[in-house]
This record gives sequence, structure tokens and C-alpha cells, in this order.
Amino acid sequence: AQSVTQLGSHVSVSEGALVLLRCNYSSSVPPYLFWYVQYPNQGLQLLLKYTSAATLVKGINGFEAEFKKSETSFHLTKPSAHMSDAAEYFCAVNRGGYQKVTFGTGTKLQVIP
Amino acid sequence: DGGITQSPKYLFRKEGQNVTLSCEQNLNHDAMYWYRQDPGQGLRLIYYSQIVNDFQKGDIAEGYSVSREKKESFPLTVTSAQKNPTAFYLCASSSDRSANEKLFFGSGTQLSVL
Repeated sequence: AQSVTQLGSHVSVSEGALVLLRCNYSSSVPPYLFWYVQYPNQGLQLLLKYTSAATLVKGINGFEAEFKKSETSFHLTKPSAHMSDAAEYFCAVNRGGYQKVTFGTGTKLQVIP
Repeated sequence: DGGITQSPKYLFRKEGQNVTLSCEQNLNHDAMYWYRQDPGQGLRLIYYSQIVNDFQKGDIAEGYSVSREKKESFPLTVTSAQKNPTAFYLCASSSDRSANEKLFFGSGTQLSVL
């Protein structure tokens, strides 16, 4: 069974609008959760990670995510989209053990001027 | 600057041919990984290595082989047994075995079949 699910393979927003990218995880896995971003023809880089110290996690480039155990969700948000945010975003979960990371299928974000 | 270098950026394979993708890191990380990325499927783990001279199969190891003779290097060979090799291949590393440690990625190699 898949450990993390991203809803929506493509999301389009207008420049300046709210960005919301959805991620739900399987409740059977430990909540070691991550968001990565991938720009075209490049590797992934970490946006933020959940460390259990706080449910609202702030990352780079103005992104943040809220861990909601009751909803098994870890959605990524940004108040105001910028053209440079156009990329593919991956939610990931560590299944426990030594770096057994499972990635979601990704969401491509398009920002419309 | 420290980082992960993957080469080549683009690679073409003829039928029946083995090809090797290079991955070198100067981050002094113990763990290294190979992922395969296909459109709409996310990343899938091929092999990983926690220490020199040791490596483990990931979720899709069939048709691939690796070696870890040096801490800095973790080459991936795509063998002729891999019947659908066209994909974007990503190498990654991490410094610690803790579950919330982040992965550092190279810029990838696009492999295509001629």
C-alpha cells in the first residue's frame, strides 16, 4: 500500500494567489514527513520537514506545512505565489528504518502571470 | 562547494548494452542512494548503500547493479536485463541514519534507448 498520497498531479494558480498542495500519509507509518521541490531537469531539494517539535513547519522560499494527525495530512501552502515557484513538488515519508523514504507521485505547480 | 555530481547528463543505450551512470559526492556522507523517476510515478528506490563495500536492494533493483568501493562513489549499471530503462535517474546521499535526515540530490541523468 502506498504510504503517501498527493492529490492533484497538476495545480495552476495565478501569480499572487494562495498555493495549496495536498499530501496525505498512511496512518500506519511513523510521521517523518518531508516536502521536496524539483525544478526542470534538476534534482530535488528539501523545502521543509516535520520534526514533531511543532505542527506548523516553516520552510524555504516562504512555504510552510501543517501536520494534522487527525486528518493524516501534511499540506504545503504559500500565501502568495511567485513565478519562480513553478516546479514539481514531492511529499515524502520515511517508513522507518534506515532512510526508507517513500515519495508521492508529485504535483506540478503552474503559476499564471 | 560540496555536493553530488552525476554524469553524464544525457545517456543513450543501444539494445543489449550495459551502461554505467556515475555518482560522486564530496559531502563525506556515509549513505548513498539511486532513484528512478518516471513521469507521474514519483521516485522509486533502486539501491542504497549505508557504508563502503555494502549495499542493499531497493524496491526496483531488477536489471540494475551497483558497487561501493569508495565512500565518495556509487556508480549504477543499467544492464541489458532492464527492458524499460528510459527514465530520469537521481543519485542522493545523507549524513545520518536518523529517520528525519534529509536527502541531498544530484542533478540527474536522463537515460534513453536508441
